[in-house]
Amino acid sequence: EPEVTQTPSHQVTQMGQEVILRCVPISNHLYFYWYRQILGQKVEFLVSFYNNEISEKSEIFDDQFSVERPDGSNFTLKIRSTKLEDSAMYFCASSQALSEQFFGPGTRLTVL
Amino acid sequence: AQKVTQAQTEISVVEKEDVTLDCVYETRDTTYYLFWYKQPPSGELVFLIRRNSFDEQNEISGRYSWNFQKSTSSFNFTITASQVVDSAVYFCALSDLTGANNLFFGTGTRLTVIP
Repeated sequence: EPEVTQTPSHQVTQMGQEVILRCVPISNHLYFYWYRQILGQKVEFLVSFYNNEISEKSEIFDDQFSVERPDGSNFTLKIRSTKLEDSAMYFCASSQALSEQFFGPGTRLTVL
Repeated sequence: AQKVTQAQTEISVVEKEDVTLDCVYETRDTTYYLFWYKQPPSGELVFLIRRNSFDEQNEISGRYSWNFQKSTSSFNFTITASQVVDSAVYFCALSDLTGANNLFFGTGTRLTVIP
C-alpha cells in the first residue's frame, strides 16, 4: 500500500541553524501539506502546496519557513533560522483532490 | 472561522467497555468535511473516517461507529468492546471545501484502555 515517507525521523539542531525536512508524498497525489504538533498539543496546519505553488499558509508559516518540490517526488520544508519554539513533530501529508489526507510518520525536530 | 472542540482530554476504560469520544465543531461553511484520526503511541496519524456535511447517516466499521448530528454540530466516535490496542490519542478534524482543504484539528482525546 502506498504511503507517505519522511526523513529524517529525528533531527537535532542548534538554534539559528537551517534545517530541511524531507517528504515523499504518495505518487499520484496532487496536494501536499505540512503540519506541526508541539509535544502534547494539537496538530496545526502550516502550509498547503498545489501545482508547484503555495495554496494557503497559516500565521505560523512566517518568512523563516519555505517549501519546495525540487523534483517529481520530494516535498521539502525548510526552516531558515531555527528557534527553540520550532521544536515539534512535523508531519507531511498528501491527498488527491479534496479527499482524505494521508500523513507521513513525522519528523521530530529538536532545537537546542 | 473553523473550530473543533474535544472537551474530553483523557478517558480511561476497562477492556471490553464501550467508549464514546465527543467532537463539536464550528464553521460558517455550509459544505465541509469532518474527520477522525488516531495517533497511537508510536506517533503517526492514522486516518479513520471522513464525512461529508451533506451525509448525516451514521457509519459503522467493525467496532467503530460515528454519529454525525448537524443540528448539534457534533461528530461523535464510539468504540465498542474496547481493546488495549485502541489506546491512543484521537483527533477530530474539520476542513472546508475551498482552497486546498486544510485540516483544522481539535486538541485530541487520550484514550487509555486498561486490560
